[in-house]
Amino acid sequence: GQNIDQPTEMTATEGAIVQINCTYQTSGFNGLFWYQQHAGEAPTFLSYNVLDGLEEKGRFSSFLSRSKGYSYLLLKELQMKDSASYLCAVRDHGTDKLIFGTGTRLQVFP
Amino acid sequence: DSGVTQTPKHLITATGQRVTLRCSPRSGDLSVYWYQQSLDQGLQFLIQYYNGEERAKGNILERFSAQQFPDLHSELNLSSLELGDSALYFCASSVDGRPYGYTFGSGTRLTVV
Repeated sequence: GQNIDQPTEMTATEGAIVQINCTYQTSGFNGLFWYQQHAGEAPTFLSYNVLDGLEEKGRFSSFLSRSKGYSYLLLKELQMKDSASYLCAVRDHGTDKLIFGTGTRLQVFP
Repeated sequence: DSGVTQTPKHLITATGQRVTLRCSPRSGDLSVYWYQQSLDQGLQFLIQYYNGEERAKGNILERFSAQQFPDLHSELNLSSLELGDSALYFCASSVDGRPYGYTFGSGTRLTVV
């Protein structure tokens, strides 16, 4: 089976840095994804990690440790528009389906 | 526009009724995935089709069924609707192994009254 855990809610201040953690246990693994989802909208792709290490993309970075079943999404220079849910997802090897965590709702305050 | 088209955007129906949600994948994508997202819940995987064939099944109720047609569009049929079926239903498409995962449609918001 698969189990993905991430904090339910986080708050941060505009201009700050926030780290959203994700731990997973899966029977098969073929990559870890982070998506951003604003309320009532479709998830949009943020990052993808399949090998250990840090992937940086502008203000967003994502880290993966396969041996620890752990990932984090780092958001720098927070902006009000970053208030959204951040979804961690693991891709199943074989079927290619994504299994999502319940998401972390981030609120950015001025 | 993500390239994945879902219709209708909104649907309001009564308990016990049946509805059909439609999804057209991005051009060239062979896989279609259906997800359900209830209020304050995560995305729950329902079912996957690949080039017309069912490939993976998740927590899909027996009252729900889906299919993918030769032109690769997909339909999700929900019958004997209950209040608890009210949710956002997302369709996503992909070509296997793509490093950015899925492309999601904008979703269908189903309200059962």
